[in-house]
Amino acid sequence: EVQLLESGGGLVQPGGSLRLSCAASGFTFSSYAMSWVRQAPGKGLEWVSAISGSGGSTYYADSVKGRFTISRDNSKNTLYLQMNSLRAEDTAVYYCAKEAPWGCSSTSCPPDYWGQGTLVTVSS
Amino acid sequence: DIQMTQSPSSLSASVGDRVTITCRASQSISSYLNWYQQKPGKAPKLLIYAASSLQSGVPSRFSGSGSGTDFTLTISSLQPEDFATYYCQQSYSTFTFGPGTKVDIK
Repeated sequence: EVQLLESGGGLVQPGGSLRLSCAASGFTFSSYAMSWVRQAPGKGLEWVSAISGSGGSTYYADSVKGRFTISRDNSKNTLYLQMNSLRAEDTAVYYCAKEAPWGCSSTSCPPDYWGQGTLVTVSS
Repeated sequence: DIQMTQSPSSLSASVGDRVTITCRASQSISSYLNWYQQKPGKAPKLLIYAASSLQSGVPSRFSGSGSGTDFTLTISSLQPEDFATYYCQQSYSTFTFGPGTKVDIK
């Protein structure tokens, strides 16, 4: 059974940093691209970042480019999101998601499994 | 960047109704369009991928169609567990989500 468990969320002041983790199990982690998607309170879904299975390719939304860094440790089956220079508008539930092996374009495959999310609150 | 729009933003329907939600991309995305269902406090669930392929385990009352820029999600006979928010997502070039369509009880 595929399981994704996010951790690391919490309250942080504007300008601060936080690192999110996503522990994966139930599949061959290194074979799949992974993504982070966030949802601000009461709002819709926003894709944040993606990384290839090997970690060699990374992608970012314009809203976080230069501030967030996605990475993965395939030996630990863990995905990370390092968030720096946090702003109030980064407040959201952050989900990690595994990309499916089908329905793929040249850059992306539809996320088919999602974690339950971790809440990040940026406030003074 | 590819922008996604959805209509309507919300709708009220009764159990047994046929429901249709539309999604439009700002440029052609071929068939790289996915649909998700999200219930309050829960993670999104993949329903349809590649515009018309039903994800494993998803009831057959859900169907998708379209290509290029215009897409449709149809629920043939709405069930009580289908009241939720539905999002389209393009995966032609990284990802962009539509703003969502909330389906509630009439």
